[in-house]
Amino acid sequence: GAGVSQSPSNKVTEKGKDVELRCDPISGHTALYWYRQRLGQGLEFLIYFQGNSAPDKSGLPSDRFSAERTGESVSTLTIQRTQQEDSAVYLCASSITSGGAGETQYFGPGTRLLVL
Amino acid sequence: SQQGEEDPQALSIQEGENATMNCSYKTSINNLQWYRQNSGRGLVHLILIRSNEREKHSGRLRVTLDTSKKSSSLLITASRAADTASYFCATRPGGSYIPTFGRGTSLIVHP
Repeated sequence: GAGVSQSPSNKVTEKGKDVELRCDPISGHTALYWYRQRLGQGLEFLIYFQGNSAPDKSGLPSDRFSAERTGESVSTLTIQRTQQEDSAVYLCASSITSGGAGETQYFGPGTRLLVL
Repeated sequence: SQQGEEDPQALSIQEGENATMNCSYKTSINNLQWYRQNSGRGLVHLILIRSNEREKHSGRLRVTLDTSKKSSSLLITASRAADTASYFCATRPGGSYIPTFGRGTSLIVHP
């Protein structure tokens, strides 16, 4: 079946503009995660959705970052008034559940964001 | 600070040699997972080892877990050039639903 998909693959924007990144998780996966990865660094947790529960937004670096997910479907990550420090690869992952045997994460290919 | 830290940061070996990477973590965990990443794109899950397991095998991969030392190792036997990638460990501290990743080990296998 289809894996996790993300769009766009690459995004170049000017400082101050808003960007919207999209993630399509694997069908049936209730858990969805967004991460940020700067060049040569590890993954930085941003936000976590589990079913219809309130999302865990504890990793969002500022109020310029927000994310939405409707039910167990598509999620969008929005960055307002982008800054050059936002340049990174944004990775989305989904898992069947967030615990137990179903917690293996399946990652999308990422969106490479460059803020000029 | 990172929950999990991989060591070494970089590893360069010849094809056919074994590659060993280590991961240390700070708090108690439910399980530990190893992932592989090619060219800064999406991560691919390799293996999951639970806190009550000590060793696990998958093909050319061997993972060990020592909860008393809060450490894990990933061994890739008979390495191939295609194994060139970054390898990350991910831990889920007890009670947390959020996996945390280390900075990774960059492995280069020379043909």
